[in-house]
Amino acid sequence: QQPVQSPQAVILREGEDAVINCSSSKALYSVHWYRQKHGEAPVFLMILLKGGEQKGHEKISASFNEKKQQSSLYLTASQLSYSGTYFCGTQGTSNTGKLIFGQGTTLQVKP
Amino acid sequence: SAVISQKPSRDICQRGTSLTIQCQVDSQVTMMFWYRQQPGQSLTLIATANQGSEATYESGFVIDKFPISRPNLTFSTLTVSNMSPEDSSIYLCSVRLRRIPPYEQYFGPGTRLTVT
Repeated sequence: QQPVQSPQAVILREGEDAVINCSSSKALYSVHWYRQKHGEAPVFLMILLKGGEQKGHEKISASFNEKKQQSSLYLTASQLSYSGTYFCGTQGTSNTGKLIFGQGTTLQVKP
Repeated sequence: SAVISQKPSRDICQRGTSLTIQCQVDSQVTMMFWYRQQPGQSLTLIATANQGSEATYESGFVIDKFPISRPNLTFSTLTVSNMSPEDSSIYLCSVRLRRIPPYEQYFGPGTRLTVT
Protein backbone atom coordinates (compact mmCIF):
# COMPACT_ATOMS: atom_id res chain seq x y z
CA GLN A 1 0.00 0.00 0.00
CA GLN A 2 1.13 3.50 -0.82
CA PRO A 3 2.57 5.43 2.13
CA VAL A 4 0.86 8.67 3.04
CA GLN A 5 2.82 11.89 3.05
CA SER A 6 1.86 15.05 4.89
CA PRO A 7 1.52 17.87 4.28
CA GLN A 8 0.70 17.76 0.56
CA ALA A 9 2.21 21.18 0.03
CA VAL A 10 4.06 23.77 2.05
CA ILE A 11 5.27 27.29 1.35
CA LEU A 12 8.17 28.70 3.32
CA ARG A 13 10.29 31.80 3.49
CA GLU A 14 14.03 31.40 3.25
CA GLY A 15 15.45 30.45 6.63
CA GLU A 16 12.30 28.78 7.92
CA ASP A 17 12.06 25.14 8.92
CA ALA A 18 9.81 22.38 7.58
CA VAL A 19 8.91 18.82 8.46
CA ILE A 20 7.56 16.29 5.97
CA ASN A 21 6.03 13.10 7.28
CA CYS A 22 5.67 9.68 5.69
CA SER A 23 3.42 7.04 7.21
CA SER A 24 2.96 3.42 6.18
CA SER A 25 0.37 0.86 7.20
CA LYS A 26 2.84 -1.98 6.75
CA ALA A 27 6.04 -2.99 8.51
CA LEU A 28 9.09 -1.52 6.82
CA TYR A 29 12.71 -2.39 6.28
CA SER A 30 13.74 1.02 5.03
CA VAL A 31 12.57 4.47 4.03
CA HIS A 32 14.18 6.38 1.16
CA TRP A 33 13.83 10.13 0.63
CA TYR A 34 14.14 11.89 -2.71
CA ARG A 35 13.74 15.42 -4.01
CA GLN A 36 12.52 16.06 -7.53
CA LYS A 37 12.63 19.38 -9.30
CA HIS A 38 10.34 20.11 -12.20
CA GLY A 39 11.47 18.33 -15.36
CA GLU A 40 14.24 16.43 -13.60
CA ALA A 41 14.70 12.97 -12.16
CA PRO A 42 14.35 12.31 -8.44
CA VAL A 43 17.58 12.90 -6.52
CA PHE A 44 18.48 10.62 -3.64
CA LEU A 45 18.68 12.40 -0.28
CA MET A 46 19.02 9.65 2.30
CA ILE A 47 17.97 6.20 3.38
CA LEU A 48 16.95 5.08 6.83
CA LEU A 49 17.04 1.45 7.82
CA LYS A 50 14.94 -0.08 10.56
CA GLY A 51 16.48 0.60 13.94
CA GLY A 52 15.14 4.07 14.63
CA GLU A 53 18.26 5.87 13.53
CA GLN A 54 18.38 9.46 12.57
CA LYS A 55 20.52 10.59 9.70
CA GLY A 56 21.36 13.87 8.17
CA HIS A 57 23.77 16.04 6.36
CA GLU A 58 24.04 19.78 6.54
CA LYS A 59 20.56 21.12 7.19
CA ILE A 60 18.51 18.12 6.07
CA SER A 61 17.96 15.22 8.42
CA ALA A 62 15.45 12.43 8.88
CA SER A 63 14.22 9.97 11.44
CA PHE A 64 12.54 6.58 11.22
CA ASN A 65 10.30 5.08 13.87
CA GLU A 66 9.91 1.48 12.77
CA LYS A 67 7.36 0.67 15.45
CA LYS A 68 5.04 3.36 14.17
CA GLN A 69 6.13 2.80 10.54
CA GLN A 70 6.71 6.50 10.21
CA SER A 71 9.52 8.63 8.93
CA SER A 72 10.02 12.37 9.03
CA LEU A 73 12.26 14.60 6.94
CA TYR A 74 13.50 17.77 8.62
CA LEU A 75 14.57 20.78 6.59
CA THR A 76 16.14 23.50 8.67
CA ALA A 77 17.00 27.07 7.66
CA SER A 78 15.53 26.37 4.22
CA GLN A 79 17.19 27.70 1.11
CA LEU A 80 15.70 28.52 -2.29
CA SER A 81 17.38 25.38 -3.66
CA TYR A 82 15.22 23.23 -1.38
CA SER A 83 12.17 23.91 -3.52
CA GLY A 84 10.77 20.85 -5.26
CA THR A 85 8.65 17.79 -4.63
CA TYR A 86 9.77 15.42 -1.91
CA PHE A 87 8.95 11.73 -2.13
CA CYS A 88 9.36 9.02 0.43
CA GLY A 89 9.84 5.50 -0.88
CA THR A 90 9.19 2.62 1.45
CA GLN A 91 10.51 -0.89 1.28
CA GLY A 92 8.82 -3.81 2.97
CA THR A 93 10.52 -6.17 5.35
CA SER A 94 11.74 -8.54 2.67
CA ASN A 95 14.39 -6.11 1.38
CA THR A 96 13.67 -6.81 -2.27
CA GLY A 97 14.66 -3.31 -3.33
CA LYS A 98 11.13 -2.58 -4.50
CA LEU A 99 10.05 0.88 -3.40
CA ILE A 100 6.51 2.12 -3.01
CA PHE A 101 6.35 5.88 -3.17
CA GLY A 102 4.13 8.34 -1.39
CA GLN A 103 2.14 10.89 -3.32
CA GLY A 104 4.74 13.58 -2.77
CA THR A 105 5.01 16.85 -0.86
CA THR A 106 5.54 20.04 -2.80
CA LEU A 107 7.81 22.50 -1.06
CA GLN A 108 8.18 26.07 -2.24
CA VAL A 109 10.74 28.33 -0.65
CA LYS A 110 10.30 32.03 -1.29
CA PRO A 111 12.89 34.77 -0.84
CA SER B 1 26.99 6.92 -6.51
CA ALA B 2 27.06 5.91 -10.18
CA VAL B 3 26.52 7.55 -13.52
CA ILE B 4 23.25 6.36 -15.02
CA SER B 5 22.26 7.27 -18.56
CA GLN B 6 19.07 6.68 -20.48
CA LYS B 7 18.33 6.81 -24.16
CA PRO B 8 16.36 8.43 -25.61
CA SER B 9 15.85 11.35 -23.26
CA ARG B 10 12.51 12.06 -24.87
CA ASP B 11 10.43 10.92 -27.79
CA ILE B 12 7.11 11.54 -29.46
CA CYS B 13 5.55 8.37 -30.85
CA GLN B 14 2.43 7.45 -32.71
CA ARG B 15 -0.29 5.26 -31.31
CA GLY B 16 0.27 1.56 -31.99
CA THR B 17 4.04 1.73 -32.29
CA SER B 18 6.71 0.56 -29.82
CA LEU B 19 9.67 2.29 -28.22
CA THR B 20 12.70 0.73 -26.56
CA ILE B 21 14.37 2.67 -23.75
CA GLN B 22 17.93 1.90 -22.75
CA CYS B 23 19.50 2.27 -19.31
CA GLN B 24 23.28 2.14 -18.97
CA VAL B 25 25.26 2.33 -15.72
CA ASP B 26 28.98 3.03 -15.52
CA SER B 27 29.55 0.31 -12.92
CA GLN B 28 28.10 -3.06 -12.04
CA VAL B 29 24.96 -2.87 -9.95
CA THR B 30 23.13 -5.46 -7.93
CA MET B 31 19.58 -4.53 -8.84
CA MET B 32 17.86 -2.59 -11.60
CA PHE B 33 14.28 -1.42 -11.66
CA TRP B 34 11.94 0.39 -14.03
CA TYR B 35 9.48 3.00 -12.82
CA ARG B 36 6.81 5.07 -14.48
CA GLN B 37 5.80 8.58 -13.51
CA GLN B 38 2.62 9.82 -15.11
CA PRO B 39 2.19 13.59 -15.44
CA GLY B 40 1.93 15.24 -12.04
CA GLN B 41 1.93 11.88 -10.26
CA SER B 42 4.16 9.84 -8.02
CA LEU B 43 6.46 7.02 -9.11
CA THR B 44 5.13 3.53 -9.77
CA LEU B 45 7.29 0.44 -10.01
CA ILE B 46 6.83 -1.43 -13.27
CA ALA B 47 9.23 -4.32 -12.76
CA THR B 48 12.52 -5.59 -11.44
CA ALA B 49 14.97 -6.30 -14.24
CA ASN B 50 16.70 -9.58 -13.45
CA GLN B 51 20.08 -10.28 -14.98
CA GLY B 52 19.89 -13.23 -17.33
CA SER B 53 16.29 -14.12 -16.57
CA GLU B 54 12.75 -12.84 -17.00
CA ALA B 55 11.81 -9.62 -15.25
CA THR B 56 9.51 -9.63 -12.24
CA TYR B 57 6.44 -7.50 -12.92
CA GLU B 58 4.26 -5.62 -10.46
CA SER B 59 0.52 -5.88 -10.39
CA GLY B 60 -1.01 -4.11 -13.37
CA PHE B 61 2.03 -4.49 -15.62
CA VAL B 62 2.55 -7.39 -18.03
CA ILE B 63 5.44 -8.65 -20.08
CA ASP B 64 3.61 -8.36 -23.41
CA LYS B 65 3.15 -4.64 -22.87
CA PHE B 66 6.47 -3.88 -21.17
CA PRO B 67 9.09 -6.44 -22.19
CA ILE B 68 12.35 -5.94 -20.28
CA SER B 69 15.82 -7.28 -20.86
CA ARG B 70 18.90 -7.20 -18.70
CA PRO B 71 21.75 -9.02 -20.44
CA ASN B 72 24.45 -7.99 -17.94
CA LEU B 73 25.06 -6.11 -14.69
CA THR B 74 25.25 -2.65 -16.25
CA PHE B 75 22.55 -2.51 -18.92
CA SER B 76 18.80 -2.93 -19.26
CA THR B 77 16.08 -2.09 -21.76
CA LEU B 78 12.37 -1.44 -21.37
CA THR B 79 10.08 -1.60 -24.38
CA VAL B 80 6.70 0.08 -24.35
CA SER B 81 4.65 -1.87 -26.87
CA ASN B 82 1.56 -1.02 -28.88
CA MET B 83 1.47 2.42 -27.34
CA SER B 84 -1.61 4.46 -26.56
CA PRO B 85 -1.87 8.05 -25.27
CA GLU B 86 -2.26 6.61 -21.74
CA ASP B 87 1.37 5.47 -21.95
CA SER B 88 2.55 9.08 -22.06
CA SER B 89 4.79 9.26 -18.99
CA ILE B 90 8.31 9.58 -17.78
CA TYR B 91 10.04 6.22 -17.61
CA LEU B 92 12.92 5.95 -15.15
CA CYS B 93 15.41 3.24 -14.43
CA SER B 94 16.67 2.92 -10.90
CA VAL B 95 19.64 1.00 -9.55
CA ARG B 96 20.80 -0.38 -6.24
CA LEU B 97 24.57 -0.31 -6.24
CA ARG B 98 25.66 -2.56 -3.42
CA ARG B 99 24.87 -5.86 -1.75
CA ILE B 100 25.54 -4.41 1.71
CA PRO B 101 23.71 -1.71 3.65
CA PRO B 102 22.66 0.98 3.42
CA TYR B 103 21.30 0.00 -0.02
CA GLU B 104 20.94 3.40 -1.63
CA GLN B 105 19.00 3.51 -4.87
CA TYR B 106 19.54 6.08 -7.59
CA PHE B 107 17.49 7.12 -10.58
CA GLY B 108 18.53 7.70 -14.14
CA PRO B 109 17.59 10.97 -15.85
CA GLY B 110 14.39 9.52 -17.29
CA THR B 111 12.81 9.19 -20.71
CA ARG B 112 9.88 11.50 -21.40
CA LEU B 113 7.47 9.74 -23.72
CA THR B 114 4.55 11.40 -25.48
CA VAL B 115 2.15 9.25 -27.47
CA THR B 116 -0.07 10.96 -30.04
